[in-house]
Amino acid sequence: EPEVTQTPSHQVTQMGQEVILRCVPISNHLYFYWYRQILGQKVEFLVSFYNNEISEKSEIFDDQFSVERPDGSNFTLKIRSTKLEDSAMYFCASGGTTETQYFGPGTRLLVL
Amino acid sequence: RKEVEQDPGPFNVPEGATVAFNCTYSNSASQSFFWYRQDCRKEPKLLMSVYSSGNEDGRFTAQLNRASQYISLLIRDSKLSDSATYLCVVNLKDTGRRALTFGSGTRLQVQP
Repeated sequence: EPEVTQTPSHQVTQMGQEVILRCVPISNHLYFYWYRQILGQKVEFLVSFYNNEISEKSEIFDDQFSVERPDGSNFTLKIRSTKLEDSAMYFCASGGTTETQYFGPGTRLLVL
Repeated sequence: RKEVEQDPGPFNVPEGATVAFNCTYSNSASQSFFWYRQDCRKEPKLLMSVYSSGNEDGRFTAQLNRASQYISLLIRDSKLSDSATYLCVVNLKDTGRRALTFGSGTRLQVQP
């Protein structure tokens, strides 16, 4: 069964550093998403991406965040200058023509 | 009022019990509804979509009441492996958004 994959599984970084989280969506999917979940809190939407552009973003997704699909398979989330409050689990998801979204295993980001 | 509201639980039930979870959502324009399950520190996994006519998948039954803006999930014959957090999720599709809005989850612990 096809699945979304994410790398790395864990990332520790210093405050102010840039991080790039990587995702490989399910191959025939057209819609790509990033969500985050701060420990003990609910899953929150960050951004959706379709047809090589951002289709929607939340208030969380400020200028420190960017997304890219550099090739036909990868989908990345970049945080330019990490803050302590960026520590969270980041989930990538992908979806096809239906509304259903399939989530990757997540990257646990810890900002020190 | 929270966009998606769930009783956090925990619900502690014996194996074989029937348990029901409820969820309310604030936006009457919401079009798509899902139940996901999330194991500790793992990604959300789709359990089932929720349709207006109600739907069943094995031991799981989901119901939607649009008039009351209420979704339910019924689990029959609970197994130990059903222990998880159950996430009520809605999608505001009619404006073209695909962002999923998550509830905080209801924790289920099935005991031997």
